[in-house]
Amino acid sequence: SQTIHQWPATLVQPVGSPLSLECTVEGTSNPNLYWYRQAAGRGLQLLFYSVGIGQISSEVPQNLSASRPQDRQFILSSKKLLLSDSGFYLCAWGSGTGSANSPLHFGNGTRLTVT
Amino acid sequence: GENVEQHPSTLSVQEGDSAVIKCTYSDSASNYFPWYKQELGKRPQLIIDIRSNVGEKKDQRIAVTLNKTAKHFSLHITETQPEDSAVYFCAALNQAGTALIFGKGTTLSVSS
Repeated sequence: SQTIHQWPATLVQPVGSPLSLECTVEGTSNPNLYWYRQAAGRGLQLLFYSVGIGQISSEVPQNLSASRPQDRQFILSSKKLLLSDSGFYLCAWGSGTGSANSPLHFGNGTRLTVT
Repeated sequence: GENVEQHPSTLSVQEGDSAVIKCTYSDSASNYFPWYKQELGKRPQLIIDIRSNVGEKKDQRIAVTLNKTAKHFSLHITETQPEDSAVYFCAALNQAGTALIFGKGTTLSVSS
């Protein structure tokens, strides 16, 4: 069966520090991979998605970046965090072979607090 | 790009009543419409989805209806129970069909 791992579960970082959140998927090949952010009391905002190794699409301009160094690994990074980067970050995968018309499976999320 | 509007933002019902959450989308090419439930502090989980070739789908107490002409779809929960209390999100495909765009969510509270 397929599983998705996301870590760390919680993170407290000072303003201006770097960030690296990692997500890995097991039990499937060539998944679509996604990063969403959920600010307090708000919806799920799509940040990045990838339909293949090395392919990254960015939905919103910001100081975050994403990379997919391996088929089932998706990394969210920042060189310098801002207070506004605080939120609940969710990684997700889908099996739509490039299309998103199939269920998304979310990781348990990382709660990031920038102080 | 795709824009998904969801209403209401909060909904309070008595146990046993029905709850309806409505969403509209902007990209007429979208053909997949899932609904997710997120309990407090947990990850969103799919509860039901519908594709554009059908107008209605039902799974026990949950049903979803789709009106492609009007570009809106709705979630219906009948005989609500306290454990239905959660945040519900609708979603539709982005213009490229490669990602889901979510509504801002509806916080449903079911009181006993």
